[in-house]
Amino acid sequence: DAGVIQSPRHEVTEMGQEVTLRCKPISGHDYLFWYRQTMMRGLELLIYFNNNVPIDDSGMPEDRFSAKMPNASFSTLKIQPSEPRDSAVYFCASSTKLAGPQNEQFFGPGTRLTVL
Amino acid sequence: QKEVEQDPGPLSVPEGAIVSLNCTYSNSAFQYFMWYRQYSRKGPELLMYTYSSGNKEDGRFTAQVDKSSKYISLFIRDSQPSDSATYLCAMSDYKLSFGAGTTVTVRA
Repeated sequence: DAGVIQSPRHEVTEMGQEVTLRCKPISGHDYLFWYRQTMMRGLELLIYFNNNVPIDDSGMPEDRFSAKMPNASFSTLKIQPSEPRDSAVYFCASSTKLAGPQNEQFFGPGTRLTVL
Repeated sequence: QKEVEQDPGPLSVPEGAIVSLNCTYSNSAFQYFMWYRQYSRKGPELLMYTYSSGNKEDGRFTAQVDKSSKYISLFIRDSQPSDSATYLCAMSDYKLSFGAGTTVTVRA
């Protein structure tokens, strides 16, 4: 398996533009997670899905952020409109379990977003 | 106050030294404890996990959990330049909560 795939790897955009980040989880993984990582706040969970259904979006910072998972092999995280404070590395991760022993989350390589 | 506290460092040690990393937590419901390693411009990857108090060894790495003190540690023996990375503690009740990560540099 190729692991978790994210695209694009880098995104530079201007304030006010719409940004769409994409993720393909590992086949057979029922859980998908979106994280944001910054120097100031570390790794923050934004939202997670179970079997394509959003379960907990309490980490989504504002209504400008939305996430979808139309099928088991694809998810998007959208920011509209984007702001400079959204600049961060966004990771997608997937796993077979939510908790418990060996609930390893497998992370993608991340999308480095810069909003000018 | 964050649920998981981790000193971000950075930490710089000479090759061969012992690296000591630690996290404290406040949520008594955390049952499972993990350490992830993140190389520069990569995603985190699981290094070690444990779910009970005590020590767990894996090669040069030892994970230690003290539930009574709500304190976990990671020790790296005979550190190598290839160990240079950011180490994040993580713990879960029903979902993972990560520490801020400690950046470690091992000097050759």
